[in-house]
Amino acid sequence: AQSVTQPDIHITVSEGASLELRCNYSYGATPYLFWYVQSPGQGLQLLLKYFSGDTLVQGIKGFEAEFKRSQSSFNLRKPSVHWSDAAEYFCAVGATSSASKIIFGSGTRLSIRP
Amino acid sequence: DVKVTQSSRYLVKRTGEKVFLECVQDMDHENMFWYRQDPGLGLRLIYFSYDVKMKEKGDIPEGYSVSREKKERFSLILESASTNQTSMYLCASRGGVDTQYFGPGTRLTVL
Repeated sequence: AQSVTQPDIHITVSEGASLELRCNYSYGATPYLFWYVQSPGQGLQLLLKYFSGDTLVQGIKGFEAEFKRSQSSFNLRKPSVHWSDAAEYFCAVGATSSASKIIFGSGTRLSIRP
Repeated sequence: DVKVTQSSRYLVKRTGEKVFLECVQDMDHENMFWYRQDPGLGLRLIYFSYDVKMKEKGDIPEGYSVSREKKERFSLILESASTNQTSMYLCASRGGVDTQYFGPGTRLTVL
């Protein structure tokens, strides 16, 4: 069965420090992969996506993610976090069928220490 | 710019009331989705629709129904609201296999 695991429920990092949020997926073929961010009380906004090609993808707000097929991972990174990055982050996996659902991880809440 | 709108940001209803949550997208997307989001449980899919008048149950359809009479509009209906349906409800739309776009959410409180 398809699944997405975000092993960290809550992470706190200092402003200016680097960040890595982990995401592992279980899927039978090469999936489409997404990272979304949700600010408090808001909907989800797409940060970046991987469909094919270069396994290192750049997104908005200075985020990047790397697809590692051998590890079934799609970790999100940012070299230097800002206080405005405090939010909840969701990893998601989608199939190549247009009628399929996207499966979301349970989310990682990011707090920023001043 | 992509747009998914939801009819209300905040809603307060009484137990037993019939509740309608409306979602409209302007991207001509085939697929539309309703999720509920609760602390510690992430996003859970209630229903989705891949075409007008077509619908499929998601992971937690009990107590909900949906309607899609026009391509741009997908409604979630709580036939008889209960307190355990107090939650944040998120609508989303998706064209083909591409990105799923979300609305701002409706925070529903059932008293």
